[in-house]
Formats: sequence, structure tokens, C-alpha cells
Amino acid sequence: EPEVTQTPSHQVTQMGQEVILRCVPISNHLYFYWYRQILGQKVEFLVSFYNNEISEKSEIFDDQFSVERPDGSNFTLKIRSTKLEDSAMYFCASTPVTAQETQYFGPGTRLLVL
Amino acid sequence: GIQVEQSPPDLILQEGANSTLRCNFSDSVNNLQWFHQNPWGQLINLFYIPSGTKQNGRLSATTVATERYSLLYISSSQTTDSGVYFCAVDSDSWGKFQFGAGTQVVVTP
Repeated sequence: EPEVTQTPSHQVTQMGQEVILRCVPISNHLYFYWYRQILGQKVEFLVSFYNNEISEKSEIFDDQFSVERPDGSNFTLKIRSTKLEDSAMYFCASTPVTAQETQYFGPGTRLLVL
Repeated sequence: GIQVEQSPPDLILQEGANSTLRCNFSDSVNNLQWFHQNPWGQLINLFYIPSGTKQNGRLSATTVATERYSLLYISSSQTTDSGVYFCAVDSDSWGKFQFGAGTQVVVTP
């Protein structure tokens, strides 16, 4: 069964550094999402992406964040200058044809900012 | 924005017991999914269920959209059912999920 994959599984970085989290959504899926989960808290929506542009973003998704689909398979989340509070599990998700279908989540990238 | 409340926050079960988890939401929804977060942090999709009833093995779910709640039933619980169960809903058209705070389930042998 096709799966959403994410790399790396874990990343440790220094405060102020840039990080890029990578996702490969399920092939032929058209809608893509990033969520994050701070340890012990609920999962929070960051951004949705369709047709090569952001369709919706949350208040968390400020100018420090950006997303890109650089080719036909990858979907990336960049954090320009990481802060301690960016430490979290970041999940990528995708849906097939419309936004009103099952969202398939990747295994997550655990980011630790020191 | 839409509010999502899950109950109970914690649940301890003996292996073999049955349980019901509840998700209340404050507005009409386009999507609703139930997830199981395993000890490794992975979110496992259980059900896509904006309305109606579905069953998958020992798990089943019912969403009554008009009354703004969904129920997840776990029957004959096993230790592998332990973890956090999340309900997530989307009230707009873009798949922006709002997650509940989850129900932490511990199944003891």
C-alpha cells in the first residue's frame, strides 16, 4: 500500500539554524499538508498546499516558515531561523483528489532545537 | 474556529474490555477522521467518517453529524490498542484539520 514518507526521522539543530524537512506524498495525490505536534500536546495544522500554492495557513505559519514542491514528488517545509519553541514532531499528509477525503499522514520528523 | 472536545481524557482498560471514546465538535464538518498515535508517535488512520457508521475488525465508529459528535468503539481490547486516540475535523473546504486533545488509552494485561 502506498505511504507518505518523511526524512529525516529525527533532526537536532542549533537555535538560529535553517532546517528543511522533506516529505514524499503518495503518488498522484494533489493536496498536501504540514502539521506539528509539540511534545504532550495535540496536533496543530500549519499549512495546506494545492496546485503549487498555499491554500490555507495557520497563525503558527509565520514568515519563518515556507513550503515548496520543488519537483513532482517532494514536498518540503523550511524553517529559516529555528527557535527553541519549534521543537516538535512535524507531520506531512496528503489527500488524493479533493480536500474532502482521507488524509494520509507520514511517520513524522522529530525536530529538536537546542 | 471549530472546537473539538474528546472524552474521557484518560482511560485504563483491562485486556478484553470494551470501551467508547467520544468526540464532540462545535460546528458542521466536511471531514472527520479518527487516528491512533502509537508509542513511536506515528498517526495511524483508523476511520474517515464524516457521517454514518463503519467497522474495521474490533474497532467501529459512528458519527452523528446533525448532533455534532462521533464515537469510537473498541471491543475486546488488546495491549496493542494502547496509545492516544485523536479525533480530527475539518469545517472548511481545504482539509485544515482541527485535532482534539486526544484520549490516552492504556490496556493492561
